[in-house]
Amino acid sequence: DGGITQSPKYLFRKEGQNVTLSCEQNLNHDAMYWYRQDPGQGLRLIYYSQIVNDFQKGDIAEGYSVSREKKESFPLTVTSAQKNPTAFYLCASSIAGFQETQYFGPGTRLLVL
Amino acid sequence: KNEVEQSPQNLTAQEGEFITINCSYSVGISALHWLQQHPGGGIVSLFMLSSGKKKHGRLIATINIQEKHSSLHITASHPRDSAVYICAVVASGSRLTFGEGTQLTVNP
Repeated sequence: DGGITQSPKYLFRKEGQNVTLSCEQNLNHDAMYWYRQDPGQGLRLIYYSQIVNDFQKGDIAEGYSVSREKKESFPLTVTSAQKNPTAFYLCASSIAGFQETQYFGPGTRLLVL
Repeated sequence: KNEVEQSPQNLTAQEGEFITINCSYSVGISALHWLQQHPGGGIVSLFMLSSGKKKHGRLIATINIQEKHSSLHITASHPRDSAVYICAVVASGSRLTFGEGTQLTVNP
């Protein structure tokens, strides 16, 4: 079955620690996205990539980093510079861009210890 | 003011009722998405439309580009329709901007 997987489902971060959230897709999509969801707010775009080895900052990129070395994979690192990382993180992909249907992963909930 | 406004924020209905969720936006757009988020957090894309109307099962989505407004209708609602419904727009040449969502609860 084609789809998007995210791991882990829950992640705990200690102060000053970098953590990496995994996102993998086998849909053969060119575009991949990371969103952050906070209670009472709409999803916000962190980073997106429309092709391998290229990615663009979204609206709230500070404190985050990404890589896109393979078409299937788009990991997100939450760095220690992100002072308020507690949130629900969603990865998505689409065939080419924002005007295409987006397919979402199940999400990772990040909590700070 | 948000670029994308949804109403109502919360909606409770009885099983079988006809439901309407509204989305208004303030910018020119090239496409609008309706998404469904279940209590576990997973999100499913319901519709993507740039004009007119689309129907899938009991769900109908309409858009009026001139009035900058879209509606999502659910006919013969069922408790399994209980979810958060999210509207998102693609501003011309730009990215997705999301509304805050409408929490729908359908009681048996």
